Amino acid sequence: GENVEQHPSTLSVQEGDSAVIKCTYSDSASNYFPWYKQELGKRPQLIIDIRSNVGEKKDQRIAVTLNKTAKHFSLHITETQPEDSAVYFCAASIYGANSKLTFGKGITLSVRP
Amino acid sequence: EPEVTQTPSHQVTQMGQEVILRCVPISNHLYFYWYRQILGQKVEFLVSFYNNEISEKSEIFDDQFSVERPDGSNFTLKIRSTKLEDSAMYFCASSVKTGGYSPLHFGNGTRLTVT
Repeated sequence: GENVEQHPSTLSVQEGDSAVIKCTYSDSASNYFPWYKQELGKRPQLIIDIRSNVGEKKDQRIAVTLNKTAKHFSLHITETQPEDSAVYFCAASIYGANSKLTFGKGITLSVRP
Repeated sequence: EPEVTQTPSHQVTQMGQEVILRCVPISNHLYFYWYRQILGQKVEFLVSFYNNEISEKSEIFDDQFSVERPDGSNFTLKIRSTKLEDSAMYFCASSVKTGGYSPLHFGNGTRLTVT
């Protein structure tokens, strides 16, 4: 089955700096890659996703890049703010089979004011 | 914006007892899921449900677990005889259609504590 690895487990950045979170996946058939943000004690919330037919997607301060050959994808947050502090999970799934998402272990992002 | 709702927010039970976790998916969604998250760990898939039957289940979802959609709005997860290791946050999720391009919407979760 799919295995999603996420590194590092924690990341601390200064407010205003950029943060990059990387994930790798194992199943070359995976073609949908969402990113979820989870604040303490709350539900995971989708912040951005990417399909395998594109290499990059942006939404304001957030972008995701995908390298299908290397089987890795990354979340980029620019101009970080304290409210970006949360746990970020990457996930992967296969379109057409089912919507089962395989999550990475998550990374705790801390933005220092 | 419509949300997935879950009740209760926190459930404490003794080992060996049965628990039922309840979820109301978003009304026009057709696919329903349960995930769990042990404290400090990743979110893990338990089961998916469509057209009144299980579509897929993980190794975690053994005979102690069952799901049901008793009416047109509720989706429940039952654990027949809870174990200490069942302590976790359980998230219900729903999506409009299957396939990787239909985002999952998660509920706020039920924190299950087994003592």
